[in-house]
This record gives sequence, C-alpha cells and structure tokens, in this order.
Amino acid sequence: DTEVTQTPKHLVMGMTNKKSLKCEQHMGHRAMYWYKQKAKKPPELMFVYSYEKLSINESVPSRFSPECPNSSLLNLHLHALQPEDSALYLCASSPRLAGNTDTQYFGPGTRLTVL
Amino acid sequence: AQSVTQLDSQVPVFEEAPVELRCNYSSSVSVYLFWYVQYPNQGLQLLLKYLSGSTLVKGINGFEAEFNKSQTSFHLRKPSVHISDTAEYFCAVSDDAGGTSYGKLTFGQGTILTVHP
Repeated sequence: DTEVTQTPKHLVMGMTNKKSLKCEQHMGHRAMYWYKQKAKKPPELMFVYSYEKLSINESVPSRFSPECPNSSLLNLHLHALQPEDSALYLCASSPRLAGNTDTQYFGPGTRLTVL
Repeated sequence: AQSVTQLDSQVPVFEEAPVELRCNYSSSVSVYLFWYVQYPNQGLQLLLKYLSGSTLVKGINGFEAEFNKSQTSFHLRKPSVHISDTAEYFCAVSDDAGGTSYGKLTFGQGTILTVHP
C-alpha cells in the first residue's frame, strides 16, 4: 500500500459546526503533515507530527486541532471555522529519516467549504 | 531561511514541443529539491527529487531536472509534452538546518503548464 487516503473528499460546514478530517497511511511512515491550500496558491504547512508527537505548529488558530492517535492515522478537528478557512486540506506522510531528506507523499485532499 | 522562486506563473506550449519550467532557490545550507505536479482537484504527486549525487535527475512521465549549485537553480524539463501534462507544477526545497526545521518543505508559487493540441 503506497498511498495516503483522506476522508471525506468534500465537506461543507457552517461556522458553528464541529467536524473532523481524517488521514490514513499504511506505509510505515513516522511523520505526518497537514497543509492548507487556497486556490491558485502553493500548500502552506500547518502541522507536523513526528513519531506521533506534534513537532511543528505553524501558528495555526486554535479552531484547528490536530490529533495523531497512532502512527497510521492523523485527524484534524474543526470547530467554529470562518469562511476564509475554505480551502483544500492536504495530508502528507514521510518515512522520518535522519536529516531533511524525507520525501513527503500527499493524499488527494479534502475540499472544505465554510458557509 | 530558505525560499523558492518559480519564474513563470504560466507556460503555454503546443503538444510535442519541449518545455522548461524554471525554479531558483536560496538557502544558507545544503538543500534538497523536489518537483511536484498537481492535476486539477487532486493532491500533489512527486515527479522527481534531488538529494545528492548526480546533478541530472530523472523522474516519472519523462521529466528530468538539473541541479545547478552555482546558479542555485533546479529547472524541470521535458523534451516532448503531451496534453495530459497539463497541470500545475510546484518546485519545493527543504534544507539541512536540522532541529525544528524538520518537515518544513518550502514551495514555490507554482507554474501552470497548459499543453495545446
């Protein structure tokens, strides 16, 4: 299995809703990532988990809450989002080799619309 | 800090023509360079990467790139493009600063390649 899967593919939510995005990989990778991508822009890193521990939080608002229950699974819990949070949310994973030579493998993304 | 500049936001070409997508980077330490492709409404797919060794790197779908340290460039080339190569291409860099920089992949702004029949 050489892919990263993300569910759901599309999500529409109101500003008062609570929802979660899910990401899964079975490649034995020990680093997982969340990115946000707005239209016609490159992906922006949000969070990095390394060995199931949060290692990077790029000053993301607290309405986004990541969770890494195990080495294969990464969640992003969403609460009280704003319309400007509408974007494609990408998950990635990498082996977590020494140094920064890791290659990140991306999932297909969840298209989020906040009304 | 590292940065990536993709010099062309859009590149239109005709089918079977050669193409070059330009990427320049800046970093104060050793770098690792990547090209990703993103088809509409999809995630990113790795085309190729340079970690060390030979400066000419071959990737999937007939693409190749050359790492030029003196010019701090990593341009992507294909000798003959197909309609199916129409997509957005991102150059990305990570560096060897270590520590808390692990996992920080810096992307360029992207180049939209459009292949016309």
